[in-house]
Amino acid sequence: EVQLVESGGGLVQPGGSLRLSCAASGFTFTNSAMSWVRQAPGKGLEWVSGISGGGGRTYYADSVKGRFSISRDNSKNTLYLQMNSLRAEDTAVYSCAKVGYDVLTGSYEAFDIWGQGTMVTVSS
Amino acid sequence: DIQMTQSPSTLSTSVGDRVTITCRASQNIVNWLAWYQHKPRKAPKLLIYKASTLESGVPSRFSGSGSGTEFTLTISSLQPDDFATYFCQQYNSHFPVPYSFGQGTILEIK
Repeated sequence: EVQLVESGGGLVQPGGSLRLSCAASGFTFTNSAMSWVRQAPGKGLEWVSGISGGGGRTYYADSVKGRFSISRDNSKNTLYLQMNSLRAEDTAVYSCAKVGYDVLTGSYEAFDIWGQGTMVTVSS
Repeated sequence: DIQMTQSPSTLSTSVGDRVTITCRASQNIVNWLAWYQHKPRKAPKLLIYKASTLESGVPSRFSGSGSGTEFTLTISSLQPDDFATYFCQQYNSHFPVPYSFGQGTILEIK
């Protein structure tokens, strides 16, 4: 079964750290660019970070640059998001997603697989 | 960054209705637009990409249209399983883009 399963969310104090994991199955993880997306309570979706299939290229939204770090372990089919210096405004459901890729045209596409998400609450 | 404005935010509808949801981009995104369906406690599901291409396995009652800055998602005859939240996303053939999303449209039973 093709799926992404996030874990690692929870309650953390402002200034604290948390590492999220995203376990992939049912598709070739190594070849797949991946992203993290979040949705704060009552707000819309916000793209957080992305990483290339090999892990050599990483990208971040301005709101998390310098505080969050994305990585992957292709031997474990797992994506990670290390979150440091957490703030109240980082409170959200965090979801991982696979970036689609059209091999015929060599172009990236929409997010074709998503996880259900894991809740992160930053509060004292 | 490109802003996506989706409307309406909520739509009260009935089974069998024809439903149209609109998404507007703050600048020309050609046809780099996707639509997703999201149900509570489930993973979002890709319905349409490149503005009008139906993802494999998605029922043909779903269709997408538009280009440039204005796009629509149409459900031709609403089914009970279609009551959910729908959102649009702008992306690009390159990776990554600063992806952005519409605020979502909740389809509720009238």
